[in-house]
Order: sequence, then C-alpha cells, then structure tokens
Amino acid sequence: GAGVSQSPSNKVTEKGKDVELRCDPISGHTALYWYRQSLGQGLEFLIYFQGNSAPDKSGLPSDRFSAERTGGSVSTLTIQRTQQEDSAVYLCASSQFSGPSYEQYFGPGTRLTVT
Amino acid sequence: EDQVTQSPEALRLQEGESSSLNCSYTVSGLRGLFWYRQDPGKGPEFLFTLYSAGEEKEKERLKATLTKKESFLHITAPKPEDSATYLCAVQAPETDSWGKFQFGAGTQVVVTP
Repeated sequence: GAGVSQSPSNKVTEKGKDVELRCDPISGHTALYWYRQSLGQGLEFLIYFQGNSAPDKSGLPSDRFSAERTGGSVSTLTIQRTQQEDSAVYLCASSQFSGPSYEQYFGPGTRLTVT
Repeated sequence: EDQVTQSPEALRLQEGESSSLNCSYTVSGLRGLFWYRQDPGKGPEFLFTLYSAGEEKEKERLKATLTKKESFLHITAPKPEDSATYLCAVQAPETDSWGKFQFGAGTQVVVTP
C-alpha cells in the first residue's frame, strides 16, 4: 500500500521567504509527527498531531514555525521568514493509533535549502 | 535534560564479523525504546520496540536488548546489505506528552565484503 508521502522532495528558497512543506500520512493513521534532521545529526522532534490537534508544540524551534493538520489527514509545516539555520531535511511520520508506543512510518523527507 | 547517546558514532565491519551498537538514555519512566534503520536519502525504517528491562527482540541478523539504562543492537554475521545508520529513539516518559520522541545521533555501520 501507499506509504507516507512528502512534497516537495527538494526546496530551495531565499532567506526571508516563507515555505510550506506537505505531508500525506498513511490512510487511517491518526497520529502524525514532524522531525528535522540536520546534516549528520539525529532527528529533532518538532511537533505531533493526535487527529487534528497538536497537544504539544514545545519542540518547534521558534514562533516562525507552525503546523496544522486538517481532516485527520494531510499536514502542512510552515516556516516563515526562513533563515539559513533552517536548512535541513524535514521528515514526517505517521502511526496507526493515537496512544502509547506505536511504531512510526516515515516519509522520504523534504530537503530544504535556504540561500 | 533527558538524553539519548549512541556509540560508537561509526562502525566498519567485515562481512560475518559480529558486533554491538549501544544506546544509553537518561529518561526516567521509559514508555518505550525504538530502533530504526536509515539508508542514505531515505526516511528511517522501523526495526524494534522494547518496553521493559530484560526484553529482547530479533529480526534476521539483528537482536535488540534493553536494560534499565541502555539498549544494545547486536548484529550477527552481518552482510553488506546491513550497511546503514542505526538510530535509537526514546519515547517521552509517563509525565510528558506521549507523542514526543528523542532520537540519538545514530551509529553509521559499513559492512565490507
């Protein structure tokens, strides 16, 4: 079946511009997660959704970052006024149930480059 | 602050040469510890979840074990296709939001023929 998809796969933007990254989770997965992976680093947790709500936004690096999820499906991560330190691979994952300890299925990521 | 530390950072093995990767954590009240495999240019792929000390899980040449403060991923008689970065992740403790996961920096494994 279809896995998690993300778009675009690559995005190059100028410093100060806004960008939107999209994630389509596996159908029926109620939990959705966003992570950031800088070159050679582990994954940095950003935010997760339980259905359409985000119970904890403490992982977002600054108020320039926001995320939403609609219809319990697609999610968008928006970065306003991008900075060079925002350059990274942004990964989305989904899991089958809301609740404790469920394996996550990851998308291929969006590579963001801020020039 | 809770931490997840993986060692070594990199590991080069000959085909058939067994070894172990370590993931140590400082989280109290662990909900779950996860192992993932990540190939270059791809998202992580789930391998195992461990919930309590003493638990072990196996999949092909991989075996994961858990103690109160660390987990090991044992690779037995590795093959070149086992080359990847192996990531461990700890789920937030019971006192925190269930959906928060903290990942280690990973161990890059290269298996040569």
